[in-house]
Amino acid sequence: AQKITQTQPGMFVQEKEAVTLDCTYDTSDQSYGLFWYKQPSSGEMIFLIYQGSYDEQNATEGRYSLNFQKARKSANLVISASQLGDSAMYFCAMRDLRGGANSKLTFGKGITLSVRP
Amino acid sequence: NAGVMQNPRHLVRRRGQEARLRCSPVKGHSHVYWYRQLPEEGLKFMVYLQKENIIDESGMPKERFSAEFPKEGPSILRIQQVVRGDSAAYFCASSPRSGSGNTIYFGEGSWLTVV
Repeated sequence: AQKITQTQPGMFVQEKEAVTLDCTYDTSDQSYGLFWYKQPSSGEMIFLIYQGSYDEQNATEGRYSLNFQKARKSANLVISASQLGDSAMYFCAMRDLRGGANSKLTFGKGITLSVRP
Repeated sequence: NAGVMQNPRHLVRRRGQEARLRCSPVKGHSHVYWYRQLPEEGLKFMVYLQKENIIDESGMPKERFSAEFPKEGPSILRIQQVVRGDSAAYFCASSPRSGSGNTIYFGEGSWLTVV
């Protein structure tokens, strides 16, 4: 079974500064994918970044980067140069890449990020 | 959101009524997943369907909830005799195949309110 843990309380960051959102995971799978999603107050789920378990390089997408430490089973999201529009709920998720009945995404409970002007 | 369409976006039902939520996946995607998000919580998996088949329904409540994904038309999540505790956001996601890495796309969600 897969498990995602996000234990940080609400996070605050000053505009233009960087912030790290923590995510640890537990799985016995060898081939898996890790995801981060943003959910603003409007409610939609916005895909941010993806890391495959066999990817050697940490994923980056614009101001988002994923600090993947496989041995520690952590997949922290780093947001550089925070903007007011980054204020939202952030979810870490994972899925088994073998497919079949194991392919559903498993989500953490989320972290609230507030960006201060 | 790469084209996953969910409707209605908002639905209000009285206790005891039925709620039907529809999800049209990205064109060409044959795998659909339904998730429920209760207030202040993360997304919980409900059911995974492939065209005309239920692959995994381990997250579905045993009673009142059902899902289908017919050969033609959208996937439907049906909740019979709704209760206040069913009030939540219901998200649908689709992918072209089950082990397809990061190619899984979410709809904008359907918010059900039971009064």
